[in-house]
Amino acid sequence: QKEVEQNSGPLSVPEGAIASLNCTYSDRVSQSFFWYRQYSGKSPELIMSIYSNGDKEDGRFTAQLNKASQYVSLLIRDSQPSDSATYLCALYSNSGYALNFGKGTSLLVTP
Amino acid sequence: EPEVTQTPSHQVTQMGQEVILRCVPISNHLYFYWYRQILGQKVEFLVSFYNNEISEKSEIFDDQFSVERPDGSNFTLKIRSTKLEDSAMYFCASSDDGTGGAGDTQYFGPGTRLTVL
Repeated sequence: QKEVEQNSGPLSVPEGAIASLNCTYSDRVSQSFFWYRQYSGKSPELIMSIYSNGDKEDGRFTAQLNKASQYVSLLIRDSQPSDSATYLCALYSNSGYALNFGKGTSLLVTP
Repeated sequence: EPEVTQTPSHQVTQMGQEVILRCVPISNHLYFYWYRQILGQKVEFLVSFYNNEISEKSEIFDDQFSVERPDGSNFTLKIRSTKLEDSAMYFCASSDDGTGGAGDTQYFGPGTRLTVL
């Protein structure tokens, strides 16, 4: 099984700051990477997906992928208190059916 | 916007009883999944289903578990004889791609919280 590692946090940032969330993975052949947001007691909600090396931007969110370093990150600009949640990194298993999730990083944005 | 729905939102059962968790995937999606999340732990894959067959299952998905698509809209997870350790949130997900590659996004339902007493 592909291992997905995330710092559990909590990561605390002030409102308006940039939050940086990191994820490393063990399998070099991984191709598709996903960031989900999960509020307490709720289901994972897709934030972004990324497949190619480099940056991908969507609004306040930027995903960064470095396959050589087996590293994927999520930057949240102008962080808002509503961004306070657990952010899950996920990638597909070798079969392409199962998503393997990290344990998630808890983000707290303070007013 | 289309979404995955799940019922019930909360199910309480006695150990040893059978439970059926229900899901309605997004209507044009053909790939269906069940995941679970024990409180405080990570989301874990249980099973994937396509064309009325299981395409992959995890070690968690033992003989106590089964899945079915009884009609054109529902997708169910049955646990035959529940154990205390089955207490978790169970999430259904669906996708329209199934390749595990670029563009294959899984959308999750709101979950069913299963409590086994």
